[in-house]
Amino acid sequence: GENVEQHPSTLSVQEGDSAVIKCTYSDSASNYFPWYKQELGKRPQLIIDIRSNVGEKKDQRIAVTLNKTAKHFSLHITETQPEDSAVYFCAFASGGSYIPTFGRGTSLIVHP
Amino acid sequence: KAGVTQTPRYLIKTRGQQVTLSCSPISGHRSVSWYQQTPGQGLQFLFEYFSETQRNKGNFPGRFSGRQFSNSRSEMNVSTLELGDSALYLCASSSLSGGEREQYFGPGTRLTVT
Repeated sequence: GENVEQHPSTLSVQEGDSAVIKCTYSDSASNYFPWYKQELGKRPQLIIDIRSNVGEKKDQRIAVTLNKTAKHFSLHITETQPEDSAVYFCAFASGGSYIPTFGRGTSLIVHP
Repeated sequence: KAGVTQTPRYLIKTRGQQVTLSCSPISGHRSVSWYQQTPGQGLQFLFEYFSETQRNKGNFPGRFSGRQFSNSRSEMNVSTLELGDSALYLCASSSLSGGEREQYFGPGTRLTVT
């Protein structure tokens, strides 16, 4: 079946640094790529998403880039803050149906 | 607006029993999706309901079923529980099915099967 590889599994940065998380997917028909943030003990939040007709999308300090040729997409967080510490999940979905496949998550730790 | 609510928050069942979980979406949202989260398998999509119809279904056995009522509240049922069904079950409500989505998760129901 479809799968997605997410790297790194753990990312430790200093406050103010940038963080990049990358996901590689298998299904070339994928056209929807959301990212979720889940703080410890809390519910996931959809933080940003991108569609295959767009190469990049930004929302304040976060951005997502998509390379359909290479079948990978990345989450970029600039000027990281301690409250960015969480597990981040990528996902992808194909066609007109929203059936997401999730990555295994990246634990981001931002040290003050 | 009130957020997504799920009941119960915690549940302990024994193998072979069945369980029903409930999700109330944000007012006005017609799409409700269900997910299973475990340390071993991560986050997995169960199914999505939109206007009382199942729109999408993940790769779970038929023991997992759901429904949606006319007020958009949704329930999921797991029959003949197995130890491996122990998980956090999350629901999320969305303003659209597919398309541009705003999606909000509930706090989850922690199910323990003994």
